[in-house]
Amino acid sequence: AQSVTQPDIHITVSEGASLELRCNYSYGATPYLFWYVQSPGQGLQLLLKYFSGDTLVQGIKGFEAEFKRSQSSFNLRKPSVHWSDAAEYFCAVGATDGQNFVFGPGTRLSVLP
Amino acid sequence: DAMVIQNPRYQVTQFGKPVTLSCSQTLNHNVMYWYQQKSSQAPKLLFHYYDKDFNNEADTPDNFQSRRPNTSFCFLDIRSPGLGDAAMYLCATSRVPGTSGLGEQFFGPGTRLTVL
Repeated sequence: AQSVTQPDIHITVSEGASLELRCNYSYGATPYLFWYVQSPGQGLQLLLKYFSGDTLVQGIKGFEAEFKRSQSSFNLRKPSVHWSDAAEYFCAVGATDGQNFVFGPGTRLSVLP
Repeated sequence: DAMVIQNPRYQVTQFGKPVTLSCSQTLNHNVMYWYQQKSSQAPKLLFHYYDKDFNNEADTPDNFQSRRPNTSFCFLDIRSPGLGDAAMYLCATSRVPGTSGLGEQFFGPGTRLTVL
């Protein structure tokens, strides 16, 4: 079974600063990897996804993530954070059967003006 | 636009009074999920349907049931809500990886359940 850790429970950055949210996974096969964002009181929105190919993946809202097999990581990055990026971010791992989907515990992002 | 719809957005029920939450989708996805999410926590999978096949998580209480009468609709029934069942309930859909996409899940906006 797969598992996901997000070491940072809460991160605070200033608007305009760069951002990196960490995600580490455990899975015996090649994983399907995802990042989701959740604004307060809302559902989850897919930011980006990865399975194979270029290890640097571009997503929506200016986010990107880099897959590093050697480190079992899939960290999310943004070069310049906007106040509207304040939200909860979840990393997730999917299995090849398409039914077993595991979320990390989430990282809450606060943005200072 | 293709989407996942949840009704109602906010539901208030009384302790022990059965409640049903609704989810519909226009994506024609074959997998549908129900999650429970409490404040500042990750979504917790309750169960999912792969087409008509029901898959219950081992730690989902018997108090929670689900029905999927057709591809588009899925319902979450809470037979006797307790105070601990107050949460956001999220519905999601997906396709099996390879048919289209990577099996990513598409979420509805959620139903916020309050138990008085």
